[in-house]
Amino acid sequence: SQQGEEDPQALSIQEGENATMNCSYKTSINNLQWYRQNSGRGLVHLILIRSNEREKHSGRLRVTLDTSKKSSSLLITASRAADTASYFCATGNQAGTALIFGKGTTLSVSS
Amino acid sequence: AAGVIQSPRHLIKEKRETATLKCYPIPRHDTVYWYQQGPGQDPQFLISFYEKMQSDKGSIPDRFSAQQFSDYHSELNMSSLELGDSALYFCASSFSGSGYNEQFFGPGTRLTVL
Repeated sequence: SQQGEEDPQALSIQEGENATMNCSYKTSINNLQWYRQNSGRGLVHLILIRSNEREKHSGRLRVTLDTSKKSSSLLITASRAADTASYFCATGNQAGTALIFGKGTTLSVSS
Repeated sequence: AAGVIQSPRHLIKEKRETATLKCYPIPRHDTVYWYQQGPGQDPQFLISFYEKMQSDKGSIPDRFSAQQFSDYHSELNMSSLELGDSALYFCASSFSGSGYNEQFFGPGTRLTVL
């Protein structure tokens, strides 16, 4: 069954604007990870936030985690055209042996 | 830094043929995972191996099998290929000692079944 659900499914913004993507999940987690995928390419690991963390930063990325609401958000500040990609959240399955991905948000940043 | 290597990057097969995909994990990573991503879909977990033993199994068809070898590389064998097997196949690796299942993905193999 789908662990992560993301919204919006698609997001179009201008360069310099901020982009926020949300992810919800169903079961308890040890951590939540965000990945980026350029069209038809590989998955690039962006950031991992542990279940005991509420917020984490990495460059222009800011991730929050609310375990009480079983949700996470990814904020990309001052977006660039190169940020155009699909973004997926992923959580571990109950055995901790695999990742379960959300449907992803397709971000388009126009210059 | 070394990344996960997958080969081939592209593969075209006919229906009912077989295919073998290879994955070379990041050095010192002991766990390998295989995922399948159909067009416009999210990646779906197929199977994983830890220290050469199968650790978990997802939505992998019975026509597919995989193994991890003594040098930790892994191969995904696909037989009786069907049109619906056309997808991107990703391998990922992780180090069990990190405790957080942080997986690093290879560039993928794009399989097209005609």
